[in-house]
Amino acid sequence: KAGVTQTPRYLIKTRGQQVTLSCSPISGHRSVSWYQQTPGQGLQFLFEYFSETQRNKGNFPGRFSGRQFSNSRSEMNVSTLELGDSALYLCASSLGGTVTDTQYFGPGTRLTVL
Amino acid sequence: AQTVTQSQPEMSVQEAETVTLSCTYDTSESNYYLFWYKQPPSRQMILVIRQEAYKQQNATENRFSVNFQKAAKSFSLKISDSQLGDTAMYFCAFIGTHHYGGGSNYKLTFGKGTLLTVNP
Repeated sequence: KAGVTQTPRYLIKTRGQQVTLSCSPISGHRSVSWYQQTPGQGLQFLFEYFSETQRNKGNFPGRFSGRQFSNSRSEMNVSTLELGDSALYLCASSLGGTVTDTQYFGPGTRLTVL
Repeated sequence: AQTVTQSQPEMSVQEAETVTLSCTYDTSESNYYLFWYKQPPSRQMILVIRQEAYKQQNATENRFSVNFQKAAKSFSLKISDSQLGDTAMYFCAFIGTHHYGGGSNYKLTFGKGTLLTVNP
């Protein structure tokens, strides 16, 4: 079974632009979570989607948004990019989106904002 | 709010030796799950081991085992017979089972990580 895939793997953008990142979960998994990883803040939860609904959201500004499609694939969008948005963005999928389900991570998208 | 603390930013160990990584957490919940994830340099984060809080028996997975002390809120990872491929950043993570405000709290809370280097 294929693992979690994320595209693109690397992105370079300039301040003020917007960006969309994509995540394809493991086949059969219905929950997708997004995390931001930076050297200073570590891993921080962005949001979680299950059956096309956002169920949980972290403490990030409204510039960060996401959605999930009927095939469980998810996209994350960041508008009006700031230098501080440079980070590794990880998505994780799990089977049923309950606390008993282990989250499996993708390789991440490394975003650099210039 | 839950917090996870890893007090050792970096550690090193000689190949074939044993090393223990520390993790403490704070929560008011009685049932929860704890994890150790491994992130090799420029590679994908993978699950190493998982512990359910209501199970008293410590989880083991081949060379990896945990020492779970619920009263002390401690969850350390022991790596036996360390191998060069164990070189990675190790993250301790927590997920609770309590639902706040009628919603889900399905999110992992991570520690800052411990960079483990295995030397030949």
